[in-house]
Amino acid sequence: KNQVEQSPQSLIILEGKNCTLQCNYTVSPFSNLRWYKQDTGRGPVSLTIMTFSENTKSNGRYTATLDADTKQSSLHITASQLSDSASYICVVSAKKTSYDKVIFGPGTSLSVIP
Amino acid sequence: DSGVTQTPKHLITATGQRVTLRCSPRSGDLSVYWYQQSLDQGLQFLIQYYNGEERAKGNILERFSAQQFPDLHSELNLSSLELGDSALYFCASSVGLAARYNEQFFGPGTRLTVL
Repeated sequence: KNQVEQSPQSLIILEGKNCTLQCNYTVSPFSNLRWYKQDTGRGPVSLTIMTFSENTKSNGRYTATLDADTKQSSLHITASQLSDSASYICVVSAKKTSYDKVIFGPGTSLSVIP
Repeated sequence: DSGVTQTPKHLITATGQRVTLRCSPRSGDLSVYWYQQSLDQGLQFLIQYYNGEERAKGNILERFSAQQFPDLHSELNLSSLELGDSALYFCASSVGLAARYNEQFFGPGTRLTVL
């Protein structure tokens, strides 16, 4: 069964600190993995996308890693800011014949406090 | 601003009623996706349309239906509404059919409250 799990469920960190969010998936056949940031009550916004051959992708203070062998990804946030408070969603796509099946993780809720 | 527009922003209605949510994709995008996000829940994929045709179905109830029009805007129809249908409904669009490199751009959502 195609599944995406994320940990921790929620996280509170001090402003300026780093943090790492985890994503484990059992999606097959793998197409790509995305990390989205969703502010409360807003639509998700894409942070990074990685395919099978990519193991690191950066977007400013956000760095995503992918280990396709262990089916794990992480999102590292450096020097956190108050505006980083949001839900971070791992999304994995499985290849189908004419379209990709997209499976959303439950998200990690991050709170950055002063 | 993602370029995807959704109307209305908020909708309050009663159980048993029917509502229509509207989505206009980004200019040039042919695929439209609908998602439901209940309170404190993850995003649930409902349905995808590509250039007017239904291409993928997720956990969409039989009481719900959608269509994509020739001008590529899409509508999600929710009927016989129940309290549990209260949620944020997001529309997303992407350029093509397959999501290999197709980033989905999400609209601001419609918050539906069923009383």
